[in-house]
Amino acid sequence: EDQVTQSPEALRLQEGESSSLNCSYTVSGLRGLFWYRQDPGKGPEFLFTLYSAGEEKEKERLKATLTKKESFLHITAPKPEDSATYLCAVLANAGGTSYGKLTFGQGTILTVHP
Amino acid sequence: DTEVTQTPKHLVMGMTNKKSLKCEQHMGHRAMYWYKQKAKKPPELMFVYSYEKLSINESVPSRFSPECPNSSLLNLHLHALQPEDSALYLCASSHIAGGGYNEQFFGPGTRLTVL
Repeated sequence: EDQVTQSPEALRLQEGESSSLNCSYTVSGLRGLFWYRQDPGKGPEFLFTLYSAGEEKEKERLKATLTKKESFLHITAPKPEDSATYLCAVLANAGGTSYGKLTFGQGTILTVHP
Repeated sequence: DTEVTQTPKHLVMGMTNKKSLKCEQHMGHRAMYWYKQKAKKPPELMFVYSYEKLSINESVPSRFSPECPNSSLLNLHLHALQPEDSALYLCASSHIAGGGYNEQFFGPGTRLTVL
């Protein structure tokens, strides 16, 4: 069974204090790993897709990286507006096809204090 | 435009009511999804439609009935719900289901309360 584990569950940072969120996964055949940001009461906002080990993507203060076992979301010099829940999800093969089913981690709640 | 729209934003219904949630996308995506999300939990997949055909039903109770009238629209018909069905219902779409470039784009959700 595909599993996705995110750590830490919650992270409190001071503005400007860089850090990383972790997403560890165990899947039968990775088709893609996705990062989303979710604000309270709203739908997840797509951030990045990573397809293969060694791949990196950047957007403003965020950088996502991927290895064969885990992904990191690095946040450089965060601002209070970066406060949100960050979700990691994987799309994996199941008998040769994934049918689009994402397996989500439990999320990391990030709070950035001014 | 990566927008998925959902109506209504909020819905309060009794256990004997019949209501529908609506979702629309104009990105030319051929896969659409319904998710249920409880507080402090990740989204939980309910249904997947691929090319307007139901391809995944995650053992959802029959009081939830999905419908895909065309490639841009997705409905979720609700009947005889229970209070534990109260949640944020999310719609998403992607280029195709399960292939490459399967980024799923989510709508803002419908906050459902069952009394």
